[in-house]
Amino acid sequence: AQSVTQLDSQVPVFEEAPVELRCNYSSSVSVYLFWYVQYPNQGLQLLLKYLSGSTLVESINGFEAEFNKSQTSFHLRKPSVHISDTAEYFCAVTVTGGFKTIFGAGTRLFVKA
Amino acid sequence: EAQVTQNPRYLITVTGKKLTVTCSQNMNHEYMSWYRQDPGLGLRQIYYSMNVEVTDKGDVPEGYKVSRKEKRNFPLILESPSPNQTSLYFCASSVGADGGDTQYFGPGTRLTVL
Repeated sequence: AQSVTQLDSQVPVFEEAPVELRCNYSSSVSVYLFWYVQYPNQGLQLLLKYLSGSTLVESINGFEAEFNKSQTSFHLRKPSVHISDTAEYFCAVTVTGGFKTIFGAGTRLFVKA
Repeated sequence: EAQVTQNPRYLITVTGKKLTVTCSQNMNHEYMSWYRQDPGLGLRQIYYSMNVEVTDKGDVPEGYKVSRKEKRNFPLILESPSPNQTSLYFCASSVGADGGDTQYFGPGTRLTVL
């Protein structure tokens, strides 16, 4: 069985500061990895995903995540956050070729002025 | 506009009164899924469907039913709701049933069972 652990439930940070949201997963088989973002009162939308190839993946709004197989991690980073990045961020995994998706508990990012 | 729609968006009901939450997508997606979101637990998968007439249980299927008679629709049925089913529900769809496809989420349905 797969599991996802998001190590921080809340992360407060000042605007323009760097941030890292941590995600660790457990799986005995290969997985696909995702970060989804949920803005207040909205559904989730994809931020970025790792399927194969380069272990560093980037989003269009400056976030990046690195797949680390040995540490079974997929941490999300941004070098300089904006107020508009305030949201809840979910890490998720699916087994390669599988149908089920396992989500982490979420990390609330608060960006303060 | 490509989207996943859910109805109703908000629902307050009483224990035991059957209800259906509808989900529809206009992107011709094969895969659809239902999740519930609870504080501190993230999203948990209830049921998913790989295509018409093909459905399977997720991690928390107890107390729920689904059907997939048409490709675009995937209703969630609570035949006898209980207070522990009070939650925020999301429907999602993706192009195919490969685990690497991006899921597109609806706006959510907030259900309260009294």
